[in-house]
Amino acid sequence: QSALTQPPSASGSPGQSVTISCTGTSSDVGGYNYVSWYQQHPGKAPKLMIYEVTKRPSGVPDRFSGSKSGNTASLTVSGLQAEDEADYYCSSYAGSGSLLFGGGTRLTVL
Amino acid sequence: QLQLQESGPGLVKPSETLSLTCTVSGGSISSSSHYWTWIRQPPGEGLEWIGSVYYSGNPYYNPSLKSRVTISVDTSKNQFSLMLSSVTAADTAVYYCAGTSFYHMDVWGKGTTVTVSS
Repeated sequence: QSALTQPPSASGSPGQSVTISCTGTSSDVGGYNYVSWYQQHPGKAPKLMIYEVTKRPSGVPDRFSGSKSGNTASLTVSGLQAEDEADYYCSSYAGSGSLLFGGGTRLTVL
Repeated sequence: QLQLQESGPGLVKPSETLSLTCTVSGGSISSSSHYWTWIRQPPGEGLEWIGSVYYSGNPYYNPSLKSRVTISVDTSKNQFSLMLSSVTAADTAVYYCAGTSFYHMDVWGKGTTVTVSS
């Protein structure tokens, strides 16, 4: 099992939209609709932002959305705000009870 | 409101066994709504899934750690535990416990830092 592939960094100005990709294989991202995204601010625990590819937990702004095409999942943050600056991690079910994480993307709000 | 709290030694010697406990409050560890997961994050690095366990079923482990990991549940204490044997400096990390539902972690502990050093 290899980690899912994310770009190490992404950036955008306030009000803009940014999309972060998460690439896996047909054995994980492409094989199941169990992709989730986590936001992590420095020194804090990760927070669930998106689950099952497109679903948002209660309390997560609708500026955050998820999608998937083939072996690549994406997180889009619309109307960027200063507080969105954080590290973002994708995760996918990979069969046989196992989970994989991506390497993480640092989102900078310019 | 489900809450999780990690506890255990912050310093472990090389070759020894790391042992952590996660206490679940605000709900029962035997609930069918969640199963229980350990995740770690080395300094300056990303998240790594260690393993998961259902309160009544078999555990599932990261293949890269499987030979050294044991995750178990104590329903009488509403706790689940992690044991990682033969630790090295590479096991230095922040360790998180999390409540998991359909392969996503929706409740996290605050994390506990474990340093492996003599």
